[in-house]
Amino acid sequence: DIQVTQSPSSLSASVGDRVTITCRASQNIARSLNWFQQKPGRVPKLLIYGASTLQGGVPSRFSGTESGTDFTLTISSLQPDDFATYYCLQTYSAPWTFGQGTKVQIK
Amino acid sequence: EVHLVESGGGLVQPGGSLRLSCVASGFAFSNYWMAWVRQAPGKGLEWVANIKQDESEQYSVDSVKGRFTISRDNAKNSLYVQMNGLRAEDTAIYYCARLDYGSGWYLDYWGQGTLVTVSS
Repeated sequence: DIQVTQSPSSLSASVGDRVTITCRASQNIARSLNWFQQKPGRVPKLLIYGASTLQGGVPSRFSGTESGTDFTLTISSLQPDDFATYYCLQTYSAPWTFGQGTKVQIK
Repeated sequence: EVHLVESGGGLVQPGGSLRLSCVASGFAFSNYWMAWVRQAPGKGLEWVANIKQDESEQYSVDSVKGRFTISRDNAKNSLYVQMNGLRAEDTAIYYCARLDYGSGWYLDYWGQGTLVTVSS
């Protein structure tokens, strides 16, 4: 099974900060990585698929990059609406596996 | 507009069974793979299972193999999961989601979820 290690598990940041979250896959997953945002009591929302393709309607301050088995979600300028938990998901092979999540909190 | 609506959750005793349903609208259901994803209270997301358009391919996480069966009825635009031998660790919100493909598979639309509680 492919393991996905997400870091950090939490971070504190201020509005306007640049934030990066990383997922490392245990083996090659090509570009088969999704990023989701989830707010408390809400349904996960797809932000990025194919490692770097922005889902329709998602603000351009969100971006995704890939370097080998390392994948990064970047929020270029954190906004009040961005405080949430973020998850990555590898969809290269079953069983699909989510990262452990990163909670982005207000500093 | 795409809508996915789950139902069938509730309180069940350990060892019991439950069947969850998800009714889809706003898209051609029979053209898409579908999935179940769950989230235990206060925990992260866990992929449960996928099913192909014609049910010819199904995949599931090891922890539910032999206990959960994913199925669909394209005539009713519906996705199901039959859950048998339920355990306390199956307690979670269960989401159905639509799969699409572009540089890899992705889950683009999710339902609101239905809560399953396994407890005596």
